[in-house]
This record gives sequence, C-alpha cells and structure tokens, in this order.
Amino acid sequence: DIVMTQSPDSLAVSLGERATINCKSSQSVLYNSNNKNYLAWYQQKPGQPPKLLIYWASTRESGVPDRFSGSGSGTDFTLTISSLQAEDVAVYYCQQYYNTPSFTFGPGTKVDIK
Amino acid sequence: EVQLVESGGHLVQPGGSLRLSCAASGFTFSTYWMTWVRQAPGKGLEWVANIRPDGNEKSYAESMKGRFTISRDNAKNTLYLQMSSLRAEDTAVYYCGREGLLLGAFDIWGHGTMVTVSS
Repeated sequence: DIVMTQSPDSLAVSLGERATINCKSSQSVLYNSNNKNYLAWYQQKPGQPPKLLIYWASTRESGVPDRFSGSGSGTDFTLTISSLQAEDVAVYYCQQYYNTPSFTFGPGTKVDIK
Repeated sequence: EVQLVESGGHLVQPGGSLRLSCAASGFTFSTYWMTWVRQAPGKGLEWVANIRPDGNEKSYAESMKGRFTISRDNAKNTLYLQMSSLRAEDTAVYYCGREGLLLGAFDIWGHGTMVTVSS
C-alpha cells in the first residue's frame, strides 16, 4: 500500500494569512501515460463529512473558493490556503487514488485560527 | 440535488452483524463506482470497500476482507455494506461516497451512520 504522510499535524494561522499543508506519498502517484497525479485534498469540518477540494493534485472542485490551491508532483504535494478565513477551520486530508482500489488517506492536518 | 443518505448504524455486540444502506438520489447511480469510508471516533479516514457500477467487481481493505460485503441494487439506487464478525475496532462513522467519473476522487459524500460495537 502507498503510505501517505502529512505535515504539520496542526497549525494556527491568523485570519487573512497563508496556511500551507504538506503531503508526501511513499511512492510516486504520477501516472506517466496521462501525466496526472492521482492525489486529492479534502476538508472536514467538525460533525460534517469530508468535502472534496482538489483533485488531480491541482484541479479545484466546482464551487471551491480560489483561495484554495494544490501543487506538487510525484511524491510531494502542498495545499495552500492563500488568505485564511474563519470558515476554513477544519481538518484537511490528502488521499492517493493511484493504487486503486487501495485508496489511502493521510492522517490529517488540523487548521485553527491564531 | 445530488445526495447520499446512509442508514442502519446502531449499537451491536462484538461478533454481531449489521447491514448499512446508502440511498442515492439526484444522479444516475448505475453509472458510478461507489465506495464506503469509515472514521473511528477522533481518528482519520479509512477506505473500506468499493464496487463497480454493474456490481460485478468489488474490492476491500485488507482488514475487512472476509467480514464485510459491499453490494448494490441499481434498480433501487441503493448501496449496501453487510458487516459481520464485528469487533470493537470497527466502531466508526461509516460514510458512503461516489467516485467521480472523470475525477478519480470521491466527489459526493453522505453524512454518515454511526456503528458502535460494544457489549
């Protein structure tokens, strides 16, 4: 199985400031034939199900604010919230879907307001 | 509105069985891979199983193989998860999810149903 790790475990950022979350996979999730990274990001607010934010590592899901962006390739990925808003307080998970059907998630990163 | 609604979760004794359901609406259920993901209290997300649109291909996480069975009824727009030989560590919120057609990722999630395994 591909193991996903995330850093930091948690972070506190001031409103309007940038938040950066890192995700690393134990092997590449880049599929060379189509040059796509099989990596997604989800947001989970307390008491709610996860919500898809980003897929193919950098494609924003419809309706997701453009302050959320994804980057990276191969084994190293980043989710950036360019200007943190109060409603962005949540746990963020990365997930690989390269090695399907053995989908694996990262352990999550908790984002709070400083 | 595209929607998934889970049901069937409750308190069950260790060794017991339970069937979860997930009712889909607002989209053509029969054209999508569907999946189950679980989340133990205060923990992260764990993929459980998925099933092909026609129901003829199923996959499971290693720790669920032989105990859990995923199925679907496309005529009823419903996904199921039959769980048996339940253990305390199966205690979790169980979410059903839709695997996006061109996305690969899980683009629609239900609100989950809680399964508690305890004597």
